[in-house]
This record gives sequence, structure tokens and C-alpha cells, in this order.
Amino acid sequence: AQSVTQPDIHITVSEGASLELRCNYSYGATPYLFWYVQSPGQGLQLLLKYFSGDTLVQGIKGFEAEFKRSQSSFNLRKPSVHWSDAAEYFCAVRRGYALNFGKGTSLLVTP
Amino acid sequence: NAGVTQTPKFQVLKTGQSMTLQCAQDMNHEYMSWYRQDPGMGLRLIHYSVGAGITDQGEVPNGYNVSRSTTEDFPLRLLSAAPSQTSVYFCASSSERGGETQYFGPGTRLLVL
Repeated sequence: AQSVTQPDIHITVSEGASLELRCNYSYGATPYLFWYVQSPGQGLQLLLKYFSGDTLVQGIKGFEAEFKRSQSSFNLRKPSVHWSDAAEYFCAVRRGYALNFGKGTSLLVTP
Repeated sequence: NAGVTQTPKFQVLKTGQSMTLQCAQDMNHEYMSWYRQDPGMGLRLIHYSVGAGITDQGEVPNGYNVSRSTTEDFPLRLLSAAPSQTSVYFCASSSERGGETQYFGPGTRLLVL
């Protein structure tokens, strides 16, 4: 069954530094992949999604992700992190009519 | 548009009690889902619906019932609450087949004592 793995439970970066959050998927065909963000005590907000076409996907809040079939990865990146980016980030893959989520990566941003 | 709404925001139950978590959407979406979120586990699918009158089980359906009598509403019922059901519950809806873009409600935090 299609699934995603987020290898990093916690990541700490300094404000202004670049960020990369890892996501690996398991699926035979081209998966439908997503990144969501959850701020403390809040619901989930869609950052970006990939279905097909250009493998570099632009999202909201300055985030982008690159689909790499050879590595079965869909890593999320941001060139310069802001303190407001501190949150939980979830990678997800389409599972029938719903989504299969990774366990999440918690991002801490230090001054 | 209110989007996806959930009530209540927070609930405390005693073991064995029953309750219904409400979810409604005003976007005329066909597809609706319930997830639970537990620390270190991400979100796990409980039940989903592909339209009024049609529901199916997800990854963790035990202890939960659902029904979908209208397009707008998708309530989640706990018939006999257990401490293991302490969690944050999210409802989501989507208009595209395959759930490409799911819109999430704000969540219901449930504590079962």
C-alpha cells in the first residue's frame, strides 16, 4: 500500500538558514504527494502538492518541493526560514479517496 | 463559506460514555473523511465517505461509527468511549476524486477518562 516516511522527528534550524525536510514514499506508480503544515493548536494547511509534470513544485509561504522518482523522495525546502515557520510538517500520499500521512517532522527555529 | 466546521472543540468523556463529533462542510464536496491525530503517529484515517449514503473504513475504524445522510454532514460516533480514543480528531472534505486537495476542519480535542 502507498505510504510515506518522514525520517526526521525533530529538526532545529536558525532563523534565516535554509531548510530541507525529508519525505520518502512507497508506491509503484506515480504518487499524488502533498505537504501540510500544522501550527501549534491549529488545523492543517496545504503547502503544496504534486500530481504530475514539473518535478519542482512551488507552494505557499515560500516553500517548494522536488519530486525525485529515482530516490522515491518528495523533500520540502525553503531557502530562508522565518521564526513563524516553526510548526509540525506532514508529508502525505493519496490513499484511495483520502490521504496517508507520515508521522510528521517538528521544526524548531532558533534566533 | 465557512469551509469545514467541527463541534465541539473540546470534550471530556468518561469511559463507556457515548458521543457524536459533528462535522459539516458548505462547499458541496462529495468526499469526506475522519482522521485522528496522536503524538508521534501523524494522522490516521478512521472512516471516509464518497457521497451521501456511502461510507467505508479507513486504517483505524474500530470503536467508531459513521453515517452520511446528507452531502454536508459527516458525524463520527463513539458508542462506548475508551481511554485509547483520547486524541485530536480532524474532519476533512474534498471535491476531487482521489482527495487531491483536502480541506481540514479545526479539530476536536477529546479526552476520555
